[in-house]
Amino acid sequence: EVQLVESGGGLVQPGGSLRLSCAASGFSFSSYWMSWVRQAPGKGLEWVANIKEDGSKKYYVDAVKGRVIISRDNAKNSLYLQMNSLRADDTAVYYCARGFCLDWGQGTMVTVSS
Amino acid sequence: QAVVTQEPSLTVSPGGTVTLTCGSSTGAVTSGHYPYWFQHKPGQAPRTLIYDTSNKHSWTPARFSGSLLGGKAALTLSGAQPEDEAEYYCLLSYSSDWVFGGGTKLTVL
Repeated sequence: EVQLVESGGGLVQPGGSLRLSCAASGFSFSSYWMSWVRQAPGKGLEWVANIKEDGSKKYYVDAVKGRVIISRDNAKNSLYLQMNSLRADDTAVYYCARGFCLDWGQGTMVTVSS
Repeated sequence: QAVVTQEPSLTVSPGGTVTLTCGSSTGAVTSGHYPYWFQHKPGQAPRTLIYDTSNKHSWTPARFSGSLLGGKAALTLSGAQPEDEAEYYCLLSYSSDWVFGGGTKLTVL
């Protein structure tokens, strides 16, 4: 059974940083692209970033380019999202997803507020 | 960035059939956009129903099907059940960018 468990969310001040993690199990992690998707309160889903199986390609939505870095550790079956220079409009539930959103984690909440 | 459009809301009667569509500001949606469809209920993680236009996930009920219809991606629900009431999102690939539609709130009434 595919399991994706996000962690690392919380309350952070504007301009601060946060690192989200996603622990994957139940599938061959190193064989899949992985994605981050977010949902702001009362809003729809927004694709944030994805990363190729070996980490050699990374793509980001324009809204986070230059502030966010997606990475992975295939030895640890883990996906990461380093978020810097956080803004109020980054407030959202962040989901980790297998591939281009074949399977989803339960999400972790990030709140950016002073 | 492309804009992906969905009907904001639709209503279907129990046992009825409804088609949700997913359009692209760049032109016709094709299999090259690898359309995905997701069901999202409040307080839960989204669930993938359809990927790559028409492929079903292991848990996708048989009453859901995906296709291309009139230049759009389509999700058809045949024989709606009360538990199908939810928000439905489509997702399209634009090479290195992926864009979600704004979602369709489906009411079963």
